[in-house]
Amino acid sequence: DVKVTQSSRYLVKRTGEKVFLECVQDMDHENMFWYRQDPGLGLRLIYFSYDVKMKEKGDIPEGYSVSREKKERFSLILESASTNQTSMYLCASSLEGVWYGYTFGSGTRLTVV
Amino acid sequence: DQQVKQNSPSLSVQEGRISILNCDYTNSMFDYFLWYKKYPAEGPTFLISISSIKDKNEDGRFTVFLNKSAKHLSLHIVPSQPGDSAVYFCAAYQGGSEKLVFGKGTKLTVNP
Repeated sequence: DVKVTQSSRYLVKRTGEKVFLECVQDMDHENMFWYRQDPGLGLRLIYFSYDVKMKEKGDIPEGYSVSREKKERFSLILESASTNQTSMYLCASSLEGVWYGYTFGSGTRLTVV
Repeated sequence: DQQVKQNSPSLSVQEGRISILNCDYTNSMFDYFLWYKKYPAEGPTFLISISSIKDKNEDGRFTVFLNKSAKHLSLHIVPSQPGDSAVYFCAAYQGGSEKLVFGKGTKLTVNP
């Protein structure tokens, strides 16, 4: 089974802190994605990566950056956390050109106080 | 501009009855559609998919129907069970793109 592991299930951070969310997948997938899920807004794409050291902005990249130094790891960085970044963050991965969609991690519930 | 729309935020049905979740899309270039199911505090899990060259795909209690002319798909769950209570997301792929476009989700509640 493909596994996508997010390092933390729950996080509480203070406004202005730099926050790192880590995601690791174990099936050699080329593509990795970061989404956030908010009530009434569904899943919104923040950033994605098709390859090591490659990144593309999604629909809501403001206030975020990413890092992909190794194929299996994709990190989401909140440069200066704000309360409006309180959300459920979901990482996903997929094989290039695969039609059966993504495999998601269990999510990180981030609260910024 | 929302390309994948789930216009019903919530749906409540009785155990044993049929659940019908609807999804509309605007991009005629979408050629593959998926449904994901999400429980609270968990990541979404793949449920069922359909290619644009088909109009129906069935997997056990779950059936997805695609009406290309209407740009509409629906997920039927028969019979519904309390364990089906979750948020269901409709998603679509466009050929050549590695990105799934998601709807906002429909929260299904199946009452015992």
